[in-house]
Amino acid sequence: NAGVTQTPKFRVLKTGQSMTLLCAQDMNHEYMYWYRQDPGMGLRLIHYSVGEGTTAKGEVPDGYNVSRLKKQNFLLGLESAAPSQTSVYFCASSNRTGDLNQPQHFGDGTRLSIL
Amino acid sequence: GESVGLHLPTLSVQEGDNSIINCAYSNSASDYFIWYKQESGKGPQFIIDIRSNMDKRQGQRVTVLLNKTVKHLSLQIAATQPGDSAVYFCAENMNTGFQKLVFGTGTRLLVSP
Repeated sequence: NAGVTQTPKFRVLKTGQSMTLLCAQDMNHEYMYWYRQDPGMGLRLIHYSVGEGTTAKGEVPDGYNVSRLKKQNFLLGLESAAPSQTSVYFCASSNRTGDLNQPQHFGDGTRLSIL
Repeated sequence: GESVGLHLPTLSVQEGDNSIINCAYSNSASDYFIWYKQESGKGPQFIIDIRSNMDKRQGQRVTVLLNKTVKHLSLQIAATQPGDSAVYFCAENMNTGFQKLVFGTGTRLLVSP
């Protein structure tokens, strides 16, 4: 039972380089999310998706883009990496049962360093 | 191991003790609350949740209490074990529709054998 899988697990980039972080979930969840986690701060929402083909901005979207071409995948792109984007990135997914939210399930993160 | 949060509040307990981790939330309209456990180098792991129409919910060795009057949430862990050592944080859902969680910064639980 894989749950939420993130690739890669680690990456080091130079300022100005681009890359895409991959997230895949096998739970048939409708909602997917990208967060960043920095020391001393709670998880902050970058972008999210309420279904295939839809995306929306979260709390800290600047410098990132996302795509949800397939229900099971949610991609996070950095077009021109900056040192301020050094962080641990987490993907999560969740569902609703009727009107009730269900908990978000997280991957194990991608640790990204921008030099 | 990797630190997921510097200068976190820390609760140190002995193995077998009961642990209580507290969380203050911000929005009186929040309708759904979750506790997560995060071990070093891992993603947050769901522990237990509670909806705003309840004030207590129990799981296996864990109990969550919700006090809406003072906007306070607590996680009680019974018979704490070394494997419970981790960072614990609460999250509140501030929307009545789509789930958009706001996370606390966390409390580090250290369990000594």
